[in-house]
Amino acid sequence: GNSVTQMEGPVTLSEEAFLTINCTYTATGYPSLFWYVQYPGEGLQLLLKATKADDKGSNKGFEATYRKETTSFHLEKGSVQVSDSAVYFCALISGGTGNQFYFGTGTSLTVIP
Amino acid sequence: EAGVAQSPRYKIIEKRQSVAFWCNPISGHATLYWYQQILGQGPKLLIQFQNNGVVDDSQLPKDRFSAERLKGVDSTLKIQPAKLEDSAVYLCASSKGTRNYNEQFFGPGTRLTVL
Repeated sequence: GNSVTQMEGPVTLSEEAFLTINCTYTATGYPSLFWYVQYPGEGLQLLLKATKADDKGSNKGFEATYRKETTSFHLEKGSVQVSDSAVYFCALISGGTGNQFYFGTGTSLTVIP
Repeated sequence: EAGVAQSPRYKIIEKRQSVAFWCNPISGHATLYWYQQILGQGPKLLIQFQNNGVVDDSQLPKDRFSAERLKGVDSTLKIQPAKLEDSAVYLCASSKGTRNYNEQFFGPGTRLTVL
């Protein structure tokens, strides 16, 4: 079956620290992988995505590389800001039609000045 | 471009009561999804529509939950009767199509509290 496992939070970092949020997946076929972000009081927003192995998604200084050999899609940012405080969700869409998302449980990030 | 609209934003009801949520997707998006997000968990798909037809409702508790998208545009999700464990945020999302590269756009959600 399909599933996503994220590192548990909450994560608290100082401003300008390096961020890694681990995500591993189990999937049938060839999934696409996503990171969504949920800011306080707002809906889920797509942060970045990768649709095939070795692709790197990037946006707003965040990056994640689709690693088929380790079934991972870890999120990284070199220097976090207070405005990055949010909940981050790793997700996959199973290969083929249907477009059903499988979400991880989310990782809460708080960045302190 | 207007985003996915949902209402109400918050709802508090007592168990065994009924409740309905409304969603208006982004214009032109054929596919609409309802998710349930329980506190501390990731969203779980309840039902997926393609235009006004159901694509997947395998995780919808059909004894108490129902959803419709009669004209292929906006949609309602109903719970009757509600249970305590239905307390969650109900998210609506839409996308242009059903291929796995189609991004889903999410609404702000409706936070339901069942007392």
